[in-house]
Amino acid sequence: DGGITQSPKYLFRKEGQNVTLSCEQNLNHDAMYWYRQDPGQGLRLIYYSQIVNDFQKGDIAEGYSVSREKKESFPLTVTSAQKNPTAFYLCASRGPGGDTQYFGPGTRLTVL
Amino acid sequence: LAKTTQPISMDSYEGQEVNITCSHNNIATNDYITWYQQFPSQGPRFIIQGYKTKVTNEVASLFIPADRKSSTLSLPRVSLSDTAVYYCLVANSSNTGKLIFGQGTTLQVKP
Repeated sequence: DGGITQSPKYLFRKEGQNVTLSCEQNLNHDAMYWYRQDPGQGLRLIYYSQIVNDFQKGDIAEGYSVSREKKESFPLTVTSAQKNPTAFYLCASRGPGGDTQYFGPGTRLTVL
Repeated sequence: LAKTTQPISMDSYEGQEVNITCSHNNIATNDYITWYQQFPSQGPRFIIQGYKTKVTNEVASLFIPADRKSSTLSLPRVSLSDTAVYYCLVANSSNTGKLIFGQGTTLQVKP
């Protein structure tokens, strides 16, 4: 059963702690993305990766970090430098040749 | 990257046809147009994709005029379950990586 998985669905952390959100795909896609969504707002691009061991900043990368050591995995770390980390985080992947993006179910992060 | 503009919100009633238009004036020759649907607390899901003229699938139709500077998503006979946010995305066929979503259109279907 192919797709994208994100875990956990809900995550709570204390202010000042780093937290890592998981994203795994078995679609054999090269490109992977992280978006942030705030209530009533659209999706904002945090980071994206077109190939293993390479990634680029999106529009709101400050306070976040990523790694792409494996094709299937693109974890996002929300660092203590992110001033307002409470949000809904979505991971996506995209295949070649104009293929559509496939999204995971999302992780809702709440920082207390 | 082609910027997209959509209405922020639309209201409709059950059984009506809904048309949502997206403007993308600086669309490039090799750009495709893709529409996504998002329910609260879920990831967006693919609805339909097209390059020119008309595309139809079991869920919706996509109309793209000859100049491709806009596109219209048509949802036939909407139901309450079609209440969602709809996003228009323009991206080229090569894997450029950076894909930017607009604000989307919140469709509210009323009984």
